[in-house]
Amino acid sequence: GAVVSQHPSRVICKSGTSVKIECRSLDFQATTMFWYRQFPKQSLMLMATSNEGSKATYEQGVEKDKFLINHASLTLSTLTVTSAHPEDSSFYICSAAGQGGSYNEQFFGPGTRLTVL
Amino acid sequence: QKEVEQDPGPLSVPEGAIVSLNCTYSNSAFQYFMWYRQYSRKGPELLMYTYSSGNKEDGRFTAQVDKSSKYISLFIRDSQPSDSATYLCAGGSQGNLIFGKGTKLSVKP
Repeated sequence: GAVVSQHPSRVICKSGTSVKIECRSLDFQATTMFWYRQFPKQSLMLMATSNEGSKATYEQGVEKDKFLINHASLTLSTLTVTSAHPEDSSFYICSAAGQGGSYNEQFFGPGTRLTVL
Repeated sequence: QKEVEQDPGPLSVPEGAIVSLNCTYSNSAFQYFMWYRQYSRKGPELLMYTYSSGNKEDGRFTAQVDKSSKYISLFIRDSQPSDSATYLCAGGSQGNLIFGKGTKLSVKP
């Protein structure tokens, strides 16, 4: 299957700071990237969907000014958590879909564990 | 009612057992169904992907979809300790996926 990487794998930050998470598709061009959040013992909750070169579509209840998504190229999407607070601590996972595989197949990155102190 | 329901377990079986994991869904618009395996603190890994009702087999894994009853299953034959993980089912349409909560499976040697 296709390979998706995320960086960093783990980040600890102080409350009020901003954190940027990168998601890269390494061996295929991702026309669509998805950002999920997963709390302990919970399912993956879709936060937003982004198509390369377009504004992201956010799910209901997700603040677009707080979770900034940029999908500037077919291999890179970034999620910036602005003014992070302890309640933003979670496991953030991206996935990518697009060329090189079925459009509907999403390949997931390894996730980024964010801890806000 | 959540769109995809999945018993979180945990489910514990002896090595070599046949494992049956199940989900129900409520959204008739779902066009495709997937099973992912997620090891602790890792991203999900796609195991099986199917569009239609019926069975799809890949090695020790068989995915089964019954659209009439909105029921999806994953069977694991000859289970191994390395199969110990959380298994997530998902249904999707228009490129989006809705996930179940995941079932935590433990295969004991």
